[in-house]
Amino acid sequence: AQTVTQSQPEMSVQEAETVTLSCTYDTSENNYYLFWYKQPPSRQMILVIRQEAYKQQNATENRFSVNFQKAAKSFSLKISDSQLGDTAMYFCAFMKHGGTYKYIFGTGTRLKVLA
Amino acid sequence: DVKVTQSSRYLVKRTGEKVFLECVQDMDHENMFWYRQDPGLGLRLIYFSYDVKMKEKGDIPEGYSVSREKKERFSLILESASTNQTSMYLCAIHTAEDSNQPQHFGDGTRLSIL
Repeated sequence: AQTVTQSQPEMSVQEAETVTLSCTYDTSENNYYLFWYKQPPSRQMILVIRQEAYKQQNATENRFSVNFQKAAKSFSLKISDSQLGDTAMYFCAFMKHGGTYKYIFGTGTRLKVLA
Repeated sequence: DVKVTQSSRYLVKRTGEKVFLECVQDMDHENMFWYRQDPGLGLRLIYFSYDVKMKEKGDIPEGYSVSREKKERFSLILESASTNQTSMYLCAIHTAEDSNQPQHFGDGTRLSIL
């Protein structure tokens, strides 16, 4: 069975600084997808970034980028130039290729951006 | 834009009541999911459905059932609510055949069982 671990329950960062959220996972699958979701205090979960395991290049979306290390089963999220609006819960999620589109979520990291 | 609507943002019910949480999508997507979110535990899958009248248990189905009579609506049912079912409930849909497409979530229902 797959597991996803987020070892940082809470983090804080100064506005305009860079922060990295960690995520590790365990799987015997070779083909899978990884996601980072953001849940602001208003509660709707929104996708931040996604990574296909077969792609070696790390995904980037504006200020958000990932460091995907397949051999180490690590998938960290880097937020550059942090903004107050980045304050949220961040969840890492795993989904294996094919099958039922089920996600396995980590326990989340609460990020607070300080003015 | 994908729209996932949960019928209530906040709900307060009594122990032993039968509780219905509704989730409606505005497109013809097949895969729908119910999660519960608890602090320190993340999101855990209760049930999911991959078509009308088709359902599968997730990781924590005990105490819950689901109904999908129409493609656009997926209901979560607490047969006899208990205080340990006080939680945030999130509905999600998967929008495409391709696995790399993300799930889209509703706003959530914060359910309190007294």
